[in-house]
Amino acid sequence: AQSVAQPEDQVNVAEGNPLTVKCTYSVSGNPYLFWYVQYPNRGLQFLLKYITGDNLVKGSYGFEAEFNKSQPSFHLKKPSALVSDSALYFCAVSTGGGNKLTFGTGTQLKVEL
Amino acid sequence: DGGITQSPKYLFRKEGQNVTLSCEQNLNHDAMYWYRQDPGQGLRLIYYSQIVNDFQKGDIAEGYSVSREKKESFPLTVTSAQKNPTAFYLCASSTKSGSSYNEQFFGPGTRLTVL
Repeated sequence: AQSVAQPEDQVNVAEGNPLTVKCTYSVSGNPYLFWYVQYPNRGLQFLLKYITGDNLVKGSYGFEAEFNKSQPSFHLKKPSALVSDSALYFCAVSTGGGNKLTFGTGTQLKVEL
Repeated sequence: DGGITQSPKYLFRKEGQNVTLSCEQNLNHDAMYWYRQDPGQGLRLIYYSQIVNDFQKGDIAEGYSVSREKKESFPLTVTSAQKNPTAFYLCASSTKSGSSYNEQFFGPGTRLTVL
């Protein structure tokens, strides 16, 4: 069975400061890891993914994520937060390239001036 | 929201009625999915289809039905057997590279409310 945990329901950060949204996972086999963002009453938008290769993955809108096999984690990061980054962020995992994604419960990011 | 459309955006249903949610994609994606989103619970997979005329149950299929008669379309019917259907429903699709599936792209969603 595969599972994802997003330990923080909400993260608050000041604009211009770095942000981190945490994600830990549990799978048997090689993980495929994803981050999505959701704005109110909208569908999810794909941000980035880790399949294999470099542990640091760069994605859309200046976001990046670091794969850590030993923890295991896939935390989302951005060096300088914007107010427009305020949204709901979801981490997801699948195994072996399969199409069954398991999502975390989401983390609400609030960026304030 | 890419090339995936969902209709209607809002849907109201009386108890005991079946309703059908539409999902269409023009991305030529092989696989399509239906998720249910409830506050604080993330997304849960209802049904998915990897190819026309074939589909599989997800984690919470009870009270729902689907069909995949065309590659572009994957409608979801919420039946009267679904005990708590009020939720936000999201459709997604993805391509396949070799034996692996790529990231899923999502539609804008349908908010279903049971009156």
